[in-house]
Amino acid sequence: KNQVEQSPQSLIILEGKNCTLQCNYTVSPFSNLRWYKQDTGRGPVSLTIMTFSENTKSNGRYTATLDADTKQSSLHITASQLSDSASYICVVRGWAGNMLTFGGGTRLMVKP
Amino acid sequence: DVKVTQSSRYLVKRTGEKVFLECVQDMDHENMFWYRQDPGLGLRLIYFSYDVKMKEKGDIPEGYSVSREKKERFSLILESASTNQTSMYLCASNPFDIDSNQPQHFGDGTRLSIL
Repeated sequence: KNQVEQSPQSLIILEGKNCTLQCNYTVSPFSNLRWYKQDTGRGPVSLTIMTFSENTKSNGRYTATLDADTKQSSLHITASQLSDSASYICVVRGWAGNMLTFGGGTRLMVKP
Repeated sequence: DVKVTQSSRYLVKRTGEKVFLECVQDMDHENMFWYRQDPGLGLRLIYFSYDVKMKEKGDIPEGYSVSREKKERFSLILESASTNQTSMYLCASNPFDIDSNQPQHFGDGTRLSIL
């Protein structure tokens, strides 16, 4: 069964600090992995997508990594800001059936 | 910017009622999706549609139906609402992409409570 596990489930950090969110998946064969940010009361918004051949990709203060061999991805947030407080959702697409498998999300709170 | 609009942010209905959730997108996307989001379970796909009048079951279609009479509008119907359908419902759309690299664009959700 295709699964996407995210850790930690929740995280509290101080403004200005860095943090790393983890995503492990069992989806196979793999097509791509996307990180979404979901602010409270809003729908998810795409941050970055990674395909099989990509190891790292940055979007401002967000850097995603992918290890397709170990089926792991991470999202690193640098110099966190209060506006980074949100849920971060890892989503993996497989080739079979072309459907998505969603992780349960990591809820990040950045405190001043 | 892509705009996906869900008709209600909050909705309260009674058990046994027929409930309609509406979703409209303004970017001429072929694909539209309905998810429910529950704490600890992530997003789960209820139904999706890849063209007008076409629909496909997702992972948890029981108790739901959908309608897509126009390309921009995708409706989710709870035939006879039950308390276990209390949830956040999210609509999404994206264009057809043979490489499947297009992101889904989400609405802001409808928080539905069934009493």
